[in-house]
Amino acid sequence: AAGVIQSPRHLIKEKRETATLKCYPIPRHDTVYWYQQGPGQDPQFLISFYEKMQSDKGSIPDRFSAQQFSDYHSELNMSSLELGDSALYFCASSPSLENTGELFFGEGSRLTVL
Amino acid sequence: GIQVEQSPPDLILQEGANSTLRCNFSDSVNNLQWFHQNPWGQLINLFYIPSGTKQNGRLSATTVATERYSLLYISSSQTTDSGVYFCAVEPGYGGATNKLIFGTGTLLAVQP
Repeated sequence: AAGVIQSPRHLIKEKRETATLKCYPIPRHDTVYWYQQGPGQDPQFLISFYEKMQSDKGSIPDRFSAQQFSDYHSELNMSSLELGDSALYFCASSPSLENTGELFFGEGSRLTVL
Repeated sequence: GIQVEQSPPDLILQEGANSTLRCNFSDSVNNLQWFHQNPWGQLINLFYIPSGTKQNGRLSATTVATERYSLLYISSSQTTDSGVYFCAVEPGYGGATNKLIFGTGTLLAVQP
């Protein structure tokens, strides 16, 4: 079965640079979620989108922005990167925001900021 | 906001042993999932279990929503079971968001 696809899997950036992560949800899933997991931490919710509109927002820095496109894929843009942004970034998708249901996670994108 | 606590924080088992992991949550929930994060960082869905009991091979889970806890049972543990086990819940207030709040995890090490 198709899963959530994230790219790139690994990314190394310098401080103050910009990074973009991409997420392709499971086919027919219209809701996408972004999570950040720092070293030794549990995943923290950043932001979610339903039908290309932002549906919820968590502890996402102002330097970060995200959007969902017409094909339901999503991109997380991170600017002015800081050392503390080094983390594993997960994308998840679910069938519909209207129905409480299971979230399926991608394999994550590991960002290292030097 | 809702608090999600997992116990024990760490657990070391000999291969073949059984274990029970617990997840307590402080408020009503719409959704509860158990995940296994393997040493490569992948989050693997184990159970979607807002209530009741489910079994999948050597793993089973029970959620008692009215008492605000869930249990994950691992039987005949194997070294490949090592990793971090997370419980994650969707709060029952604020409408349907499907947003999951993760617990602090249980780090499991299974020794041969």
